[in-house]
Amino acid sequence: DIQMTQSPSSLSASIGDRVTITCRTSQSIINYLNWYQQKPGKAPKLLIYAASSLGSGVPSRFSGSGSGTDFALTISSLQPEDFATYYCQQSYSFVFTFGPGTKVDMK
Amino acid sequence: QVQLQESGPGLVTPSATLSLTCAVSGGSISSANWWSWVRQPPGKGLQWIGDFYPSGSTNYNPSLQTRVSMSVDSSNSLFSLTLSSVTAADTAVYYCAKRLVRGGVYQFDSWGQGTLVTVSS
Repeated sequence: DIQMTQSPSSLSASIGDRVTITCRTSQSIINYLNWYQQKPGKAPKLLIYAASSLGSGVPSRFSGSGSGTDFALTISSLQPEDFATYYCQQSYSFVFTFGPGTKVDMK
Repeated sequence: QVQLQESGPGLVTPSATLSLTCAVSGGSISSANWWSWVRQPPGKGLQWIGDFYPSGSTNYNPSLQTRVSMSVDSSNSLFSLTLSSVTAADTAVYYCAKRLVRGGVYQFDSWGQGTLVTVSS
């Protein structure tokens, strides 16, 4: 299986902050990388697909970058509704795997 | 946008078989998409279990494939998961999801609300 790591595992930030979360894979996955947001008690929501394409209805303050083994999710100006846990997920292998998650909470 | 809704028992006895169903509405279950199951143990991350294509093809996580089976009831827009010989480690919120390809990359773009299954005697 392709192993995935995320950093940091958690972070504290304030409204308006620029936040960047990174995801690293154990082998090159080209751009077969998606990002999801999950709020407590809710299902994950697709934010970014194919490393940098914005999902349907997702605000433009979210952006994705990277290729190969290193990827990033950036929130340009953190809003109250963005406090959540974020997961990366690879689709290069047909054994789909998720990163361990990054929890973003309020400073 | 398609809607998905999981249903099934919330409590399963150890060594028994877990069975869940996902109802699909707002779209055709026979469309060119994979229908997937993902689970999340309490307080932990997400694990892909497997998925099913309407033609009958399946794709299971190797770590679970000896215990997993999936099927579809197209006439009722339902797809199902069975997981045999469950243990406490199978306690989790189980989500059904739709997997599609966009931009050349598979992604889980629609999810059910999830259902908690506890394995306990």
